[in-house]
Amino acid sequence: EPEVTQTPSHQVTQMGQEVILRCVPISNHLYFYWYRQILGQKVEFLVSFYNNEISEKSEIFDDQFSVERPDGSNFTLKIRSTKLEDSAMYFCASSGGGAGAYEQYFGPGTRLTVT
Amino acid sequence: GNSVTQMEGPVTLSEEAFLTINCTYTATGYPSLFWYVQYPGEGLQLLLKATKADDKGSNKGFEATYRKETTSFHLEKGSVQVSDSAVYFCALKGNNQGGKLIFGQGTELSVKP
Repeated sequence: EPEVTQTPSHQVTQMGQEVILRCVPISNHLYFYWYRQILGQKVEFLVSFYNNEISEKSEIFDDQFSVERPDGSNFTLKIRSTKLEDSAMYFCASSGGGAGAYEQYFGPGTRLTVT
Repeated sequence: GNSVTQMEGPVTLSEEAFLTINCTYTATGYPSLFWYVQYPGEGLQLLLKATKADDKGSNKGFEATYRKETTSFHLEKGSVQVSDSAVYFCALKGNNQGGKLIFGQGTELSVKP
């Protein structure tokens, strides 16, 4: 069964450093998303991406964040200058078009630890 | 704005007990409703969904019915197993293609043998 994959599974970085989290969505999907889950809290939407542009973003997704689909298979989230409060589990998700747009399939997540 | 509220956890049950996890929502229009499950150390998996009022989603013995009159989507299972121990998230999505999911806070379920 097709699945969303994410790398790395765990990333440790120092405050102020740039990180890139990588995702490979399901191959025929059209919509791509990033969510995050701070430890013990709810899953929060960050950004959605369709047709090579951001379709929606939350107030969390400020100028420090960017997304890219560089090569038609990968979908990346970049944090330019990490802060301690960026420590969280980051989930990538994708969904298909038409009726399939209602079901989002999630990757296993990348745990980001900022020290 | 749209929001989802779940019952507080953790919930601890004995094997074969009946499970209910309450979920209510606030939304404009006619959202789609979902339950996701997160097993220890894993990502989110779609458990079941309902896209319109009175729809019943079901999977792996779990059920939830989309009740527009009470704005609820409670998760039920008649007989839980130890392997059902996980965190359960209720979520809603607007009826626009590619729209974001809005999650409840999650309910941790622990099933004891």
